[in-house]
Amino acid sequence: GAVVSQHPSWVICKSGTSVKIECRSLDFQATTMFWYRQFPKQSLMLMATSNEGSKATYEQGVEKDKFLINHASLTLSTLTVTSAHPEDSSFYICSAPPEVSVTEQFFGPGTRLTVL
Amino acid sequence: GQNIDQPTEMTATEGAIVQINCTYQTSGFNGLFWYQQHAGEAPTFLSYNVLDGLEEKGRFSSFLTRSIGYRYLLLKELQMKDSASYLCAVLDSNYQLIWGAGTKLIIKP
Repeated sequence: GAVVSQHPSWVICKSGTSVKIECRSLDFQATTMFWYRQFPKQSLMLMATSNEGSKATYEQGVEKDKFLINHASLTLSTLTVTSAHPEDSSFYICSAPPEVSVTEQFFGPGTRLTVL
Repeated sequence: GQNIDQPTEMTATEGAIVQINCTYQTSGFNGLFWYQQHAGEAPTFLSYNVLDGLEEKGRFSSFLTRSIGYRYLLLKELQMKDSASYLCAVLDSNYQLIWGAGTKLIIKP
């Protein structure tokens, strides 16, 4: 199956700093990528839909100025958590459907963010 | 609103069979997914159903009845490595995935 990578796999930062997370589709092109957040013992929560060459679509309640998304190419989307706070500590996961199929999504391995 | 219901937690014995149910109420339907997620890891794809019926993949089978929004995941010959959360998700009319909260499956020897 298709491969999606994320970097970094985990990060620890101080409160007030910004953290960038990269999501790459390694062997297919993805005009759309999805960013999820998952708190412990909870299900995935869709944060935003990243669209190549255009602005991201954010879910209700997600601050677009805090979670900056850039989808500069068909294989790369980045999520930047600006001025991170301890409540932003979570597991961030990206996913992408291959161009030939909208019915399957491949997930990156996730990024564990801990804000001190 | 859109809603996916599945049990929070289930316990089963190694070597046994377990059925994890999922019911849904969504705006439109373009298929249902089951994903497996081990603690601290991203979900991995298990199955996709869009037509009524049973699909079998090795020890895992998934069943769908669209008329009553009922589906289940059946795991046979349980192994300890099957201990994980199993997420049910529906692709709605906008091709957006609606996720259930997941069922934590605990396998005991």
